[in-house]
Amino acid sequence: DAGVIQSPRHEVTEMGQEVTLRCKPISGHNSLFWYRQTMMRGLELLIYFNNNVPIDDSGMPEDRFSAKMPNASFSTLKIQPSEPRDSAVYFCASSPGSRRETGELFFGEGSRLTVL
Amino acid sequence: GQQVMQIPQYQHVQEGEDFTTYCNSSTTLSNIQWYKQRPGGHPVFLIQLVKSGEVKKQKRLTFQFGEAKKNSSLHITATQTTDVGTYFCTTKTSYDKVIFGPGTSLSVIP
Repeated sequence: DAGVIQSPRHEVTEMGQEVTLRCKPISGHNSLFWYRQTMMRGLELLIYFNNNVPIDDSGMPEDRFSAKMPNASFSTLKIQPSEPRDSAVYFCASSPGSRRETGELFFGEGSRLTVL
Repeated sequence: GQQVMQIPQYQHVQEGEDFTTYCNSSTTLSNIQWYKQRPGGHPVFLIQLVKSGEVKKQKRLTFQFGEAKKNSSLHITATQTTDVGTYFCTTKTSYDKVIFGPGTSLSVIP
């Protein structure tokens, strides 16, 4: 099992540029989560999907952030335009849990974003 | 919204000493999960507790869920340098959101 795959692992960009982070969940998992981690705010849940449908996006900071899950094997988190305060490690996690029961989360290695 | 607090925020111990971190909630929790994140790594699942008063052990790690299901603890006996990292408890809110606590960062002095 390849685990949750995220890309890119590192991204350095300039303020105002568009950033797209990608995630491939573990096959068969039907829940997918996007988290952001910073020293100041810890691990924040941004959005999560169940069966490719966004269930709760209340953690998305603002309109500059958007996330999609076009199919069961792929999700993207987009930031447009990016700002220095978006610098963080973004984690994707998947879970075999159903809508009613969230099981263990399996995390990817994370995407470290630096916005200059 | 529902959230969990963890204490202490940081803990420095001498190798061989014991370590305990606590997770507390103001509301009853359906379950508690514990994760460990090594420096530079990603969170890794350790265990899930579901039943009131439940105690589970994994080698030197002992996990406990409070009788009222509002608190939990993780105890490490005789810490080793491999125990270094941040330990998070998580809770599931309504609509299946998995929320992480702020974590306890453990450093072990050889």
